[in-house]
Amino acid sequence: QVQLQESGPGLVKPSDTLSLTCAVSGYSISSSNWWGWIRQPPGKGLEWIGYIYYSGSTYYNPSLKSRVTMSVDTSKNQFSLKLSSVTAVDTAVYYCARMLHCSGGSCYPRPGWFDPWGQGTLVTVSS
Amino acid sequence: EIVLTQSPGTLSLSPGERATLSCRASQSVSSSYLAWYQQKPGQAPRLLIYGASSRATGIPDRFSGSGSGTDFTLTISRLEPEDFAVYYCQQYGSSPQITFGQGTRLEIK
Repeated sequence: QVQLQESGPGLVKPSDTLSLTCAVSGYSISSSNWWGWIRQPPGKGLEWIGYIYYSGSTYYNPSLKSRVTMSVDTSKNQFSLKLSSVTAVDTAVYYCARMLHCSGGSCYPRPGWFDPWGQGTLVTVSS
Repeated sequence: EIVLTQSPGTLSLSPGERATLSCRASQSVSSSYLAWYQQKPGQAPRLLIYGASSRATGIPDRFSGSGSGTDFTLTISRLEPEDFAVYYCQQYGSSPQITFGQGTRLEIK
């Protein structure tokens, strides 16, 4: 059973860099899937941050692109998120998730829907 | 960027009733590449539907998805108490850019 678990500091100071890791178990991160990060400010909706392939290829949300860096460590079966120059508006629950794209009984190494999700981790930006 | 608009913002119904949630796209969603999620308080979203109409593993058959182009619908045929939650749609037809709708809150009347 595929499981994802986010980890990282729950409190980050303004202007610092937020760093999170997503550990994947029960599934190889080197399989033909993309891996994504999504965030949700308290009481608000979901925002896609970006996603990464095991090869290191990435796509970022244009609204965050200048501040986001994602990386993957296949030896540890995990991937990571860095968000620089954070402010209070970056306070949110951060989720990691596997991306799937299947149709007609076949799956493809393309971005798609998110399943499963990690439990999420709350990151608060405050001095 | 494809903008997804969900309606209504809040839907108040009673257990046993039928729920119809709408997700409208600002442009046609390629190949009906649209997914639906359910989120309960304090929990991560859970995949319900992908490809506009395919139920994810373990999802009860009272949940169904339909639509194409710019108009998509999630229907819950007979509401159970555990179905009251927030529902989001997501399109992945214009990848690399994907988008979520703003959500519909389904509350007990």
